[in-house]
Amino acid sequence: GEDVEQSLFLSVREGDSSVINCTYTDSSSTYLYWYKQEPGAGLQLLTYIFSNMDMKQDQRLTVLLNKKDKHLSLRIADTQTGDSAIYFCAESTGGSYIPTFGRGTSLIVHP
Amino acid sequence: KAGVTQTPRYLIKTRGQQVTLSCSPISGHRSVSWYQQTPGQGLQFLFEYFSETQRNKGNFPGRFSGRQFSNSRSEMNVSTLELGDSALYLCASSFAGQQTGDEQYFGPGTRLTVT
Repeated sequence: GEDVEQSLFLSVREGDSSVINCTYTDSSSTYLYWYKQEPGAGLQLLTYIFSNMDMKQDQRLTVLLNKKDKHLSLRIADTQTGDSAIYFCAESTGGSYIPTFGRGTSLIVHP
Repeated sequence: KAGVTQTPRYLIKTRGQQVTLSCSPISGHRSVSWYQQTPGQGLQFLFEYFSETQRNKGNFPGRFSGRQFSNSRSEMNVSTLELGDSALYLCASSFAGQQTGDEQYFGPGTRLTVT
């Protein structure tokens, strides 16, 4: 079945860029998503990219997709302490579009 | 516009009991999906309801069931609770549902603890 892998932790200094990586196995993935979850809260969709795109930029967020390697990354520029959260990568395929989530990357931003 | 609301936020139940969780979607949204989040299994899809009909179902036993009402509010029921059912249950709503790739908006979740 489909699988989405992420590293569990990332620690960065405030003001630096953060890059969170994700790999997936389903070559027929149509949508790829990045969600953010803060403590005690539900998921918030940050951005998504269609599988026919290579890159998407939205303010401080840049998503890069390497479809050949099935690799997705989320870059957060000028990382702030408020960016500390768990970031989930997810993919869905055409048809049911049921998303498959990675385990989440815990981003820790320190001063 | 009010967001997705879930009630109750916290719940403690005993093994063998049953529980009902409620989700009120964003006004105008007709699709409600339910997810289970645990440290061991991560986020897993339970089911999706659209216009009172179950449209998709994840790989969970029959003890997990749901329904949707005509006002799009949805309930999820778990019967004969097991310790492993302890989790954060998240609900998400969207206008047209997952089959359109429509953006989902998540509620804060219900934290269920089974003792």
